[in-house]
Amino acid sequence: QVQLQESGPGLVKPSGTLSLTCDVSGGSMISTNWWSWIRQPPGKGLEWIGDIFYTEITNYNPSLKSRLTISLDKSQNQFSLELSSVTDADTAVYYCARNRFGSASYRWFDTWGQGTLVTVSS
Amino acid sequence: DIQMTQSPSSLSASVGDRVTITCRASQSINSYLNWYQQKPGKAPKVLIYAASSLQSGVPSRFRGSGSGTEFTLTISSLQPEDFATYFCQQSSSSPRTFGGGTKVEIK
Repeated sequence: QVQLQESGPGLVKPSGTLSLTCDVSGGSMISTNWWSWIRQPPGKGLEWIGDIFYTEITNYNPSLKSRLTISLDKSQNQFSLELSSVTDADTAVYYCARNRFGSASYRWFDTWGQGTLVTVSS
Repeated sequence: DIQMTQSPSSLSASVGDRVTITCRASQSINSYLNWYQQKPGKAPKVLIYAASSLQSGVPSRFRGSGSGTEFTLTISSLQPEDFATYFCQQSSSSPRTFGGGTKVEIK
């Protein structure tokens, strides 16, 4: 059974770069699934950040695209998020998730990491 | 972007009650609609995908229905472990978007 685990600094300075890694265990990233980042500001709703496929094709939320890089390392079975020029609006719990690909192009986030709180503050 | 609107934003119910949550999309998304449950301090968990397909391991008291722009999540008999926040999410087009959530509280 696939499990996901986020890691990275919990505190980032304003105008700095937020960097997180998601370790994938119990299965290979080489599959029909996409690998996603989703965030949730404290007490608020969920925002999809972006996806990556094992061929390194990416799909980004246009609202974050200019500051965002998602990459992967198949040899380490992990994928990463970098978000530049952060402000306090980027303070959130960041989740990595598997975007399961089903029949008729149905997709859903079927496996999630536990989430990691990243606070933007000086 | 496709906007997802959930109603109500919160509700109070008792154990054993039938609960219905509605999600409306700003344009047709066919059946590309998923439902998640989130408990405090935990990651969301998928309950329903493709509008009406029950995720493996999820109790059958959860039922999803709808297509196009209007969808519902029904809990047939609310259990103590069901008190949580529920989100809908569309996977019809990018960017993927979520509803604002419905918090189900104990009456």
